[in-house]
Amino acid sequence: DAGVTQSPTHLIKTRGQHVTLRCSPISGHKSVSWYQQVLGQGPQFIFQYYEKEERGRGNFPDRFSARQFPNYSSELNVNALLLGDSALYLCASSVGGAPDPREQYFGPGTRLTVT
Amino acid sequence: GQQLNQSPQSMFIQEGEDVSMNCTSSSIFNTWLWYKQEPGEGPVLLIALYKAGELTSNGRLTAQFGITRKDSFLNISASIPSDVGIYFCAGPSGGGADGLTFGKGTHLIIQP
Repeated sequence: DAGVTQSPTHLIKTRGQHVTLRCSPISGHKSVSWYQQVLGQGPQFIFQYYEKEERGRGNFPDRFSARQFPNYSSELNVNALLLGDSALYLCASSVGGAPDPREQYFGPGTRLTVT
Repeated sequence: GQQLNQSPQSMFIQEGEDVSMNCTSSSIFNTWLWYKQEPGEGPVLLIALYKAGELTSNGRLTAQFGITRKDSFLNISASIPSDVGIYFCAGPSGGGADGLTFGKGTHLIIQP
């Protein structure tokens, strides 16, 4: 079975631009979470979506938004990019349902560089 | 917000040695998760702990959920070169969502 897939693998953008990152969860998983990982740190929670609805949000500005589609894939959008947005963006999928952080499976990430 | 402190920050060991690392929290956790991340990849779940005092093994890896529910430990026995990577502890962020709070990681380096 395919794991969590993310696209693109790498991306270079300029300050002020907008970016869209994509994630496809493991087949049968209904929940997708997004994380930002800057160099030398652990992943930091941005959003969680379950059944197309936002279930949770971390401490990120409104420039960050996301959505989940009927096939449970997800997009993360970041507007007005700043240099500090340069990071590895990770998507994690889980079966979902009642709040339960167990068994989240991560994709390989999208490396975003803002210049 | 919740914070997880991992120690040590990095470890340089010889192949075959046992490894111990730990994670402490400023608040009580109901779940502890241990992940390993290798360069260019996302974190991979190693062990999940759901009950205070629980001791769980996955091959040469053993993790324990501390009795106080504010700490957890991960041990690796007889380390091999493929154990190299960054080990993260994580727990639920709370607030009704499934988001995880991660520590800053323990970087394991093995000298042959």
